[in-house]
Amino acid sequence: DVKVTQSSRYLVKRTGEKVFLECVQDMDHENMFWYRQDPGLGLRLIYFSYDVKMKEKGDIPEGYSVSREKKERFSLILESTSTNQTSMYLCASSLTLAGVQYTGELFFGEGSRLTVL
Amino acid sequence: GIQVEQSPPDLILQEGANSTLRCNFSDSVNNLQWFHQNPWGQLINLFYIPSGTKQNGRLSATTVATERYSLLYISSSQTTDSGVYFCAVGKVVYNQGGKLIFGQGTELSVKP
Repeated sequence: DVKVTQSSRYLVKRTGEKVFLECVQDMDHENMFWYRQDPGLGLRLIYFSYDVKMKEKGDIPEGYSVSREKKERFSLILESTSTNQTSMYLCASSLTLAGVQYTGELFFGEGSRLTVL
Repeated sequence: GIQVEQSPPDLILQEGANSTLRCNFSDSVNNLQWFHQNPWGQLINLFYIPSGTKQNGRLSATTVATERYSLLYISSSQTTDSGVYFCAVGKVVYNQGGKLIFGQGTELSVKP
């Protein structure tokens, strides 16, 4: 079975603290994604990575950074949290089959609910 | 960017009823997926369906790419079908997987 594991299900932080959210997948997928989900706004893409050490900005990258040092691991970093970063953070991964077909079927982790006070 | 519109936004069904959820998108895509988010927040991939028709048990999906819409059919609904259904679309770029744009979702509640 496909498995995407996020390090923390629930976090509570104070404004200005650093937050490190980790995501690990065991499927040897090339692509990994970080989304945030907010009521009324749906899922919005923060960053994605299509290879080790590669990263691309999504639609709302401001206030976030990412790291992908190993293929199976994609980390989201909030250097100095603010209250407007209170949200559900979702990690996902997908496989791209080069030369055969492009799949991109997305598999999600369980989510990390962050509250910033 | 691509716009994704889902309808209806909310739906209440009696157990055993059938329903159709719709996803319209504003540009040509080669990646379309349907997801179910359960009440605990977990998103499960239901279908990868950039075109054509697929069936999985009581669920089926059809995408008419030329007319830029997709439909998700739920037959004989059960209370466990409750949750939010998302449609997501995108263009797959060679070796880059491609990012998906999500619709706002349809919130389904199935009553016993």
